[in-house]
Amino acid sequence: KQEVTQIPAALSVPEGENLVLNCSFTDSAIYNLQWFRQDPGKGLTSLLLIQSSQREQTSGRLNASLDKSSGRSTLYIAASQPGDSATYLCAVLFMEYGNKLVFGAGTILRVKS
Amino acid sequence: GAGVSQTPSNKVTEKGKYVELRCDPISGHTALYWYRQSLGQGPEFLIYFQGTGAADDSGLPNDRFFAVRPEGSVSTLKIQRTERGDSAVYLCASSPEGARYNEQFFGPGTRLTVL
Repeated sequence: KQEVTQIPAALSVPEGENLVLNCSFTDSAIYNLQWFRQDPGKGLTSLLLIQSSQREQTSGRLNASLDKSSGRSTLYIAASQPGDSATYLCAVLFMEYGNKLVFGAGTILRVKS
Repeated sequence: GAGVSQTPSNKVTEKGKYVELRCDPISGHTALYWYRQSLGQGPEFLIYFQGTGAADDSGLPNDRFFAVRPEGSVSTLKIQRTERGDSAVYLCASSPEGARYNEQFFGPGTRLTVL
């Protein structure tokens, strides 16, 4: 069974810090990896999609990297703000499973002002 | 519409009742997915439609769960004889085609509570 693991489960940082969220997955045979943000009681907002052939993607203060061979991805958030507080979810599209995303349990981020 | 919409946003029902949850995908998206999210967990896949047909229903937990997409647009997830363990947030997503090269865009979800 393919799995996605996210560490840490929760993170609290002061405003302005740069931070890294980690995602690991059990098989390097993937189509893509997607990072999402989820606010309490809300749906998922797609942040970044990294295709299997790519090493990183950037959007504003967010940068996501992908290392398939080691089964890892990181989401880097620069100059964190209180508005970044949310749960961040990593999801992997494994080749074995076709079109269904496999999600990690998420990292709950709190940025203190 | 601008995004994926789901109705109702909240549904409270009693054990043993039948419920229907609706998803309206982004216009033009041929692929539609249903996921279920329990408290403190990531979403778990239920079913995937390509057009009108269910291309992968391997995530449906048992035969009380059924989903349709008769015209290749709106989808309905149907749960018979609901149980307390069915309580969760049901999320719908869509993508332009299959997910291999496309982002999945999620709706706000339906929070189902079975009393």
